[in-house]
Amino acid sequence: GQNIDQPTEMTATEGAIVQINCTYQTSGFNGLFWYQQHAGEAPTFLSYNVLDGLEEKGRFSSFLSRSKGYSYLLLKELQMKDSASYLCAVRGFSGGYNKLIFGAGTRLAVHP
Amino acid sequence: GAVVSQHPSWVICKSGTSVKIECRSLDFQATTMFWYRQFPKQSLMLMATSNEGSKATYEQGVEKDKFLINHASLTLSTLTVTSAHPEDSSFYICSARTQAKNIQYFGAGTRLSVL
Repeated sequence: GQNIDQPTEMTATEGAIVQINCTYQTSGFNGLFWYQQHAGEAPTFLSYNVLDGLEEKGRFSSFLSRSKGYSYLLLKELQMKDSASYLCAVRGFSGGYNKLIFGAGTRLAVHP
Repeated sequence: GAVVSQHPSWVICKSGTSVKIECRSLDFQATTMFWYRQFPKQSLMLMATSNEGSKATYEQGVEKDKFLINHASLTLSTLTVTSAHPEDSSFYICSARTQAKNIQYFGAGTRLSVL
């Protein structure tokens, strides 16, 4: 079956670093994605990993270990505007074709 | 990143009426578009995959006769919620994938409220 797990909620302090973990079990693997979603808005693309290792993009970094079925999103120098839900999604094989499967999301609250 | 335009952003309708939602890829061609539904504090659930020029592929449990999808061109897909009922009230989001980067970009979403 398909399963993607990530913590439901996290809190952090402005200026700090936070790591959001994601573990997955999917049929097939064709990439792992992280999206940011503010309340009432559509998700915005943050990062994409298809090979093992770390991908860095400004204050955001994402790591992937395919053998462990594990990824994390690292947010540095947290800002208040980073308060949002962070969605881990895996492109896997289901129902006969590739599709993007989303985790339930991690709601991050950044405090002053 | 690529731009996906979704319209309308908010719609209120009476029970029994039909509502059409449009999704356009503005600066790229999307042979495949996706329609998701999201209930409050829940994650995105894929409803159907829309392929240009062919019938959409629906996920298990999604009624194809109720949620009509048309993907007439490489830049436009539409979702029509037919005979809408209050339980259809939700946040509907379309997505398009760029073939070059294998990344899905999302529209701004449509909040549907059925009275």
